[in-house]
Amino acid sequence: AQKITQTQPGMFVQEKEAVTLDCTYDTSDPSYGLFWYKQPSSGEMIFLIYQGSYDQQNATEGRYSLNFQKARKSANLVISASQLGDSAMYFCARGGKLIFGQGTELSVKP
Amino acid sequence: GAVVSQHPSRVICKSGTSVKIECRSLDFQATTMFWYRQFPKQSLMLMATSNEGSKATYEQGVEKDKFLINHASLTLSTLTVTSAHPEDSSFYICSAIPLIGDYGYTFGSGTRLTVV
Repeated sequence: AQKITQTQPGMFVQEKEAVTLDCTYDTSDPSYGLFWYKQPSSGEMIFLIYQGSYDQQNATEGRYSLNFQKARKSANLVISASQLGDSAMYFCARGGKLIFGQGTELSVKP
Repeated sequence: GAVVSQHPSRVICKSGTSVKIECRSLDFQATTMFWYRQFPKQSLMLMATSNEGSKATYEQGVEKDKFLINHASLTLSTLTVTSAHPEDSSFYICSAIPLIGDYGYTFGSGTRLTVV
């Protein structure tokens, strides 16, 4: 069985600063990639970034980047230049059946 | 882009009644749909995986007779909460994988169910 772990229930960051959200995975199947989603209070799931398990380079999408360390089985999300609108729940998920981690509630302070 | 329409967005029902939630892929055919349940401030918990034309596969601990899933076509999957009780009150959300194309997982907007 695969398990996704996010150890930070809540995080605070000052506006315009960078923040790293942690995610580790434990699975015997190396073929699936990792996703990060943002969930604002409305409940919608917003896709942020994807890292393929065989990708050689860390994924980047605008202000979002992944610090992917395969040996450590971690795929941490880095948000640069935080904005007030970034305040939300953030979930890491593994492909296949798309199993989610516990989530991190990010609060951006003005 | 790929869109999954989920209805209703909110529903209030009386205890003992059944509620049907629909997820419809608007511009693609979905070979697989996932149904999740989410309590406040918690993660999305996978309830079941449905494939068009076959029986849904339920995760351990999910009552298949209570949460009926039907995936009768490549564009529609439904979740029916039967004999609902207040403890079934939750946020339910679906996700679909396209038959072809690289859209990845596309989520519906979710349904907030309140059982009174």
